[in-house]
Amino acid sequence: QVQLQESGPGLVKPSQTLSLTCSVSGGSISSGAYYWSWIRRPAGKGLEWIGRIYTSGRTKYNPSLNSRVTISVDTSKKQFSLRLTSVTASDAAVYYCARDVAGTGFLDYWGQGTLVTVSS
Amino acid sequence: QSALTQPASVSGSPGQSITISCTGTSSDVGGYNYVFWYQQHPGKAPKLMIYDVTNRPSGVSNRFSGSKSGNTASLTISGLQAEDEADYFCSSYTSSTPVLFGGGTKLTVL
Repeated sequence: QVQLQESGPGLVKPSQTLSLTCSVSGGSISSGAYYWSWIRRPAGKGLEWIGRIYTSGRTKYNPSLNSRVTISVDTSKKQFSLRLTSVTASDAAVYYCARDVAGTGFLDYWGQGTLVTVSS
Repeated sequence: QSALTQPASVSGSPGQSITISCTGTSSDVGGYNYVFWYQQHPGKAPKLMIYDVTNRPSGVSNRFSGSKSGNTASLTISGLQAEDEADYFCSSYTSSTPVLFGGGTKLTVL
């Protein structure tokens, strides 16, 4: 059974960088069948897709966040990571990592989510 | 890129059927058979309920079904149960990004 687990600071100061890591267990992160995605849900709002990475390192980002987002992968550690720079209060959300089958948006396994608060 | 359009809320009584719509454009819902539906209970991660418009993952009740007509996809839940009360999100592959979510629909079981 594939499991994903997010980790990282729960509190980030405005203008600083949010960094989260997703650890994958129970399956291979290097399989060519999957992409690895980040999604967030601000309180009281809907889901927002942030971006994804393929095992080759190829990335695709939400255009609305493109200039501030970097997703990277470390296959040896079975982890992929999210960096979001210059955060503001609007970046406060529950952040989820998920597996995307075939890159079509088929998000079959999700992490439990981690709450990130933006405050000084 | 604007979110797909879903009703903010729907409600139904136990045993009834409800349908949640998800409206997009020919660049997303209407252009691809990659429409997905997720169920999210408070404090939990989203759970995939329907993939590729009409298909149910293993373990998902057959009370959940999906369909599409033109630029609008729909999720129907039959034989409504108390445990179905949750937020539901549609998503679609698009010509510009792999994933575009709907705004979400809160289902209340009366």
